[in-house]
Amino acid sequence: GDSVTQMEGPVTLSEEAFLTINCTYTATGYPSLFWYVQYPGEGLQLLLKATKADDKGSNKGFEATYRKETTSFHLEKGSVQVSDSAVYFCALSLTQGGSEKLVFGKGTKLTVNP
Amino acid sequence: DTGVSQDPRHKITKRGQNVTFRCDPISEHNRLYWYRQTLGQGPEFLTYFQNEAQLEKSRLLSDRFSAERPKGSFSTLEIQRTEQGDSAMYLCASSFRGGDTEAFFGQGTRLTVV
Repeated sequence: GDSVTQMEGPVTLSEEAFLTINCTYTATGYPSLFWYVQYPGEGLQLLLKATKADDKGSNKGFEATYRKETTSFHLEKGSVQVSDSAVYFCALSLTQGGSEKLVFGKGTKLTVNP
Repeated sequence: DTGVSQDPRHKITKRGQNVTFRCDPISEHNRLYWYRQTLGQGPEFLTYFQNEAQLEKSRLLSDRFSAERPKGSFSTLEIQRTEQGDSAMYLCASSFRGGDTEAFFGQGTRLTVV
């Protein structure tokens, strides 16, 4: 079935460090790919998305490129801040029968220290 | 509009009791989803409504679970004869068919079965 595998955490970085969180997927069709973020005490928020191969999603300094050949959608940020501390979820969506349900990875907890 | 609203935020119940959660989606959204998230895992799809019609249910949704969206607006998720394994965060999300497919999530209802 469709699935998402993302880098196990937790990840601890110092402020201004470079961040990569790996995400790979398995899907029978052509999914849309997403990164969601969950800040402490808050709901899931969409961080960025890409809907087709070679698309790059970006937001708040984060980027991820849809790589069909490697079935990957790795999240990167050049210089993290303390405020980026959160849990990050990679997800895919396949339109099946009108539903666009999301399939999530397990999440990666990021802690950024000053 | 303040986004997707879920009530209650926390629920503690004894094993065997019934519980009901409510979700109020963003007002113009015609799609509504329920997910369940256990500790250390990503959200898992439970069920999906388009307007008042329940179009898909996951195999995770046992007979003890029932969801409704009677007027195509708010939705309820009921769990009958709760078990300790039902302890989880129950998330609601909504989106608008025909527009951007981004799903907006509520903050969730945390259920603890003792």
